[in-house]
Amino acid sequence: DVKVTQSSRYLVKRTGEKVFLECVQDMDHENMFWYRQDPGLGLRLIYFSYDVKMKEKGDIPEGYSVSREKKERFSLILESASTNQTSMYLCASTKQATPEQYFGPGTRLTVT
Amino acid sequence: QKEVEQNSGPLSVPEGAIASLNCTYSDRVSQSFFWYRQYSGKSPELIMSIYSNGDKEDGRFTAQLNKASQYVSLLIRDSQPSDSATYLCAFNQAGTALIFGKGTTLSVSS
Repeated sequence: DVKVTQSSRYLVKRTGEKVFLECVQDMDHENMFWYRQDPGLGLRLIYFSYDVKMKEKGDIPEGYSVSREKKERFSLILESASTNQTSMYLCASTKQATPEQYFGPGTRLTVT
Repeated sequence: QKEVEQNSGPLSVPEGAIASLNCTYSDRVSQSFFWYRQYSGKSPELIMSIYSNGDKEDGRFTAQLNKASQYVSLLIRDSQPSDSATYLCAFNQAGTALIFGKGTTLSVSS
C-alpha cells in the first residue's frame, strides 16, 4: 500500500512565523503535490513537483514556497504565516505517468 | 478554465437504496476520471478510477463515463451508513495535476 505521511496532524502558529509542513512518501513516487482545502472552496493546488529539485506553481502559490531535496520528501513553507492561511493542508503523490493520487492524512493548521 | 461541477448536496438516501452521484467537467480532452471519498476530518481516499466510456464496477460501486456528454457518475448500491461522506470527482489530462470538484455530501440513514 502507498503510504504518505505528514509531519503533524494539528499545528497552531502565530502570525508572522515561518512554518514548515513536511510530507514523506515511501513508494518511490516521482510526483508530489500540496493542496489546501477550505469549506466551500474545495481542494486547491498550491505547488507540485515532478522530480527532485523541480517545482511548478499551482493555482494559489502566493505566500508559499516548496522544497524537494530528496525524492521521497516534499516540504511546504509558509514564509510569514497569516490568518488567511488557516486551513487543512493535504499532500499527495503519484507515480510518473499514472494519475491516481494518494493523499496523506492532512495537517490542520491554525494561524492566530 | 478547467472546471468540475458537482451538486453539493446533501444527498440523503435510506439504508439499502442506490445513491447516485453526478459530475460534469469542462475539458473535452480529459483522459482520466476519479472518485474520491472523504470522511469528515479525514483526507480523500481514492475509490474508483475510469478511463474509457461505459461502466466500471467494483463491489457496490459503479462508475459511469460519457465523454461525449462530459459526464461521469458514481452509483453506490445497497448504501450503508458507513458510506456517509463527501464524494469528490476529479479529472486530468496527461501530465497535469488533478482538477477536483467541491464534492457532494452523501448521508445514508439507517
